[in-house]
Amino acid sequence: AQTVTQSQPEMSVQEAETVTLSCTYDTSESDYYLFWYKQPPSRQMILVIRQEAYKQQNATENRFSVNFQKAAKSFSLKISDSQLGDAAMYFCAYRITRSNDYKLSFGAGTTVTVRA
Amino acid sequence: DGGITQSPKYLFRKEGQNVTLSCEQNLNHDAMYWYRQDPGQGLRLIYYSQIVNDFQKGDIAEGYSVSREKKESFPLTVTSAQKNPTAFYLCASSRKDSYNQPQHFGDGTRLSIL
Repeated sequence: AQTVTQSQPEMSVQEAETVTLSCTYDTSESDYYLFWYKQPPSRQMILVIRQEAYKQQNATENRFSVNFQKAAKSFSLKISDSQLGDAAMYFCAYRITRSNDYKLSFGAGTTVTVRA
Repeated sequence: DGGITQSPKYLFRKEGQNVTLSCEQNLNHDAMYWYRQDPGQGLRLIYYSQIVNDFQKGDIAEGYSVSREKKESFPLTVTSAQKNPTAFYLCASSRKDSYNQPQHFGDGTRLSIL
């Protein structure tokens, strides 16, 4: 079974500053997808960003970017220019790309607090 | 607008009672999933279905049952065998044509014991 580890239960960031959330995963596969989801207090799960393991270029979506280190099995999320609306729980997720299997394995999450 | 509808938003279960959580999607997705969310444990997969009339157990299927009679619907029954059902339950769906397709989620159902 694939394991996704988020080692930071909570992170706090000043508004307009940058915060980085860590995610590591355990896999023997060479091709897979990684995702970051955001869950605000409304509990709705929102896709933030995704990355394919075969792509060397790190994905970027506006203020959100990832640092994907395949050899280290690390997939960190950087939130730049943090805004109050970024306050949420963030989940890292992994999907294998074989066997016609589309399920995701999630980490335990990191709660991000943004200070005004 | 297409999306996933979960109902009810809040549900209370008495001891020894089975309860069913509804999940309907109009996204024309083939795959559907049920997750359980407890504090500090992230999302754990209960059951998933990748095609009508077929489903597979996830990591924590004991005490739960599902059916997939229609593409749009994937109800979850929490049986009396589930001794600790209090949690937040999320339903999701996804396409199956590419592994880069994300899962789309409903707004969840919070289940509590009376």
